[in-house]
Amino acid sequence: EAGVVQSPRYKIIEKKQPVAFWCNPISGHNTLYWYRQNLGQGPELLIRYENEEAVDDSQLPKDRFSAERLKGVDSTLKIQPAELGDSAVYLCASNPAGAGGLHTQYFGPGTRLTVL
Amino acid sequence: GENVEQHPSTLSVQEGDSAVIKCTYSDSASNYFPWYKQELGKGPQLIIDIRSNVGEKKDQRIAVTLNKTAKHFSLHITETQPEDSAVYFCAADREAGNQFYFGTGTSLTVIP
Repeated sequence: EAGVVQSPRYKIIEKKQPVAFWCNPISGHNTLYWYRQNLGQGPELLIRYENEEAVDDSQLPKDRFSAERLKGVDSTLKIQPAELGDSAVYLCASNPAGAGGLHTQYFGPGTRLTVL
Repeated sequence: GENVEQHPSTLSVQEGDSAVIKCTYSDSASNYFPWYKQELGKGPQLIIDIRSNVGEKKDQRIAVTLNKTAKHFSLHITETQPEDSAVYFCAADREAGNQFYFGTGTSLTVIP
């Protein structure tokens, strides 16, 4: 079974430029998460989707970050414009359960973003 | 606010020795506690998990213990090997399993 796929793996951009990350979750997984992981820290949730609905985006900086999961399968996270402090690893994870399930999250390899 | 505290932040052990990582949580509604291993340049990978109706779970050299009364859970790795070197994260579920609180990570180094 294929795991969570993310692309690109690495991205270097200059500040004020836009950037987008793509995630394809494990087939059949309804729940999709985007996390940001700063160096030496644990993942911090940005947004959670149940199918195509964003059910928790309280931690997403909406002035510059946006996300979509139009068909309830793959998802895109965008930053426009990027700032120096956005340098981090952006992780995508998926979970087979719908709301209320006690299932673990499976992570992709992440996209390492460097903003110069 | 609700969080998970993880200790130590760094741990070095000799190959063959045991390693123990401890976490405490504050949300009494948490019922699911996974542990993730993250190697350099990779995403976190689940290595073991435990649910609140169980006090201990073991999988070969890895075990997890849970004390729900004290809100403590621990990861135990026995007979450590160099390939165990990685960052380990504990987590506790929130919102009925829909989300996790993550610990801050423990960087484990196994010295050959």
